[in-house]
Amino acid sequence: ETGVTQTPRHLVMGMTNKKSLKCEQHLGHNAMYWYKQSAKKPLELMFVYSLEERVENNSVPSRFSPECPNSSHLFLHLHTLQPEDSALYLCASSQGRDSLNTEAFFGQGTRLTVV
Amino acid sequence: KNQVEQSPQSLIILEGKNCTLQCNYTVSPFSNLRWYKQDTGRGPVSLTIMTFSENTKSNGRYTATLDADTKQSSLHITASQLSDSASYICVVSKRGSQGNLIFGKGTKLSVKP
Repeated sequence: ETGVTQTPRHLVMGMTNKKSLKCEQHLGHNAMYWYKQSAKKPLELMFVYSLEERVENNSVPSRFSPECPNSSHLFLHLHTLQPEDSALYLCASSQGRDSLNTEAFFGQGTRLTVV
Repeated sequence: KNQVEQSPQSLIILEGKNCTLQCNYTVSPFSNLRWYKQDTGRGPVSLTIMTFSENTKSNGRYTATLDADTKQSSLHITASQLSDSASYICVVSKRGSQGNLIFGKGTKLSVKP
């Protein structure tokens, strides 16, 4: 285990549903990230939170809404998703701003299927 | 454009054999390069992280090399095991931008008995 826990591991939802993905890190890190991994594509950065403040939003559709209530927890709220949003959603955490040896630790991911 | 290209896309080898995976990048300014191992349906796990001043780094049977001049890296796996079957992802960090990790598409390695 990497110290980053994601729930649920699998999620199937309809296009009209509202659901949330949860991420929790026990490493004392101050930065957390959401990534999307679609089949045969590189991981895509969605959101970055540093010290509970969103510092980056990579042109993600508004149907994805992140929330970072504290430095240990990160949520991704989902509503009115499309089938092409089906993917593996990965949470990661790291300590500090970009430094030479900053290590990003990933959770196990949530496999999301939109039907 | 900041890109990370990996080759081969997939690879099948017999258990006990060695293999080398390649990574070429155009990311600038460069901060560091990491290799991750990702088992199917799970999150990536870090194998090595190298800065521009490091040419080689080992982690057990995994040895990574970096040539910052030619912007190339390789991951060599020695005496492969069935558990090495996974995707290996090359990730380059861009200096000065937190969270700006540029991911390759990965090489899918299958080790057969």
